[in-house]
Amino acid sequence: GAVVSQHPSWVICKSGTSVKIECRSLDFQATTMFWYRQFPKQSLMLMATSNEGSKATYEQGVEKDKFLINHASLTLSTLTVTSAHPEDSSFYICSASELGRENTGELFFGEGSRLTVL
Amino acid sequence: LAKTTQPISMDSYEGQEVNITCSHNNIATNDYITWYQQFPSQGPRFIIQGYKTKVTNEVASLFIPADRKSSTLSLPRVSLSDTAVYYCLVGDDTGFQKLVFGTGTRLLVSP
Repeated sequence: GAVVSQHPSWVICKSGTSVKIECRSLDFQATTMFWYRQFPKQSLMLMATSNEGSKATYEQGVEKDKFLINHASLTLSTLTVTSAHPEDSSFYICSASELGRENTGELFFGEGSRLTVL
Repeated sequence: LAKTTQPISMDSYEGQEVNITCSHNNIATNDYITWYQQFPSQGPRFIIQGYKTKVTNEVASLFIPADRKSSTLSLPRVSLSDTAVYYCLVGDDTGFQKLVFGTGTRLLVSP
């Protein structure tokens, strides 16, 4: 199946710094990618929909100025957590559907990126 | 997007068949039902998808009754490696990409 890769897989940073997480579709193109956040023992929470060449669409309650999303190409979306604080510590996961097969309902997820803010 | 309800957790033993039921009373005509599996510290993985009746693949079966208000994921002869969280999601073929995850079912398989 199609592969989605995230980098870094884990990161530790100091409070107040910014962290960028990359999501790449390795063997397919994706016009749309999704970013989720997952806290321990909880389900995935959709944060935003990333659209290639346009602004991301954020879910209610998600601060767009804090979680900057850029989808510059059909294979790469980035999530930047700006001025990170300890409460931003979480597992961030991206997903993508293959261009031309969006209606199949099959999303491919990255391995996730664990962020720890000290 | 239709809301789904699943049991929070289930326990089983190796070699047994496990059936996880999901309720989706408000499912719309265009909605499909999809199940994902998630291991700790990993992204979810697609298992199976269906619209009605029964769908089977190499890892699972999906049973959907005529009213489509529920669905059952069946895992035959589970092993320890099937210990994971299983999510049931519904969505139509237009907005399907935007998947909203419910609580999921945490399956624990013991020796």
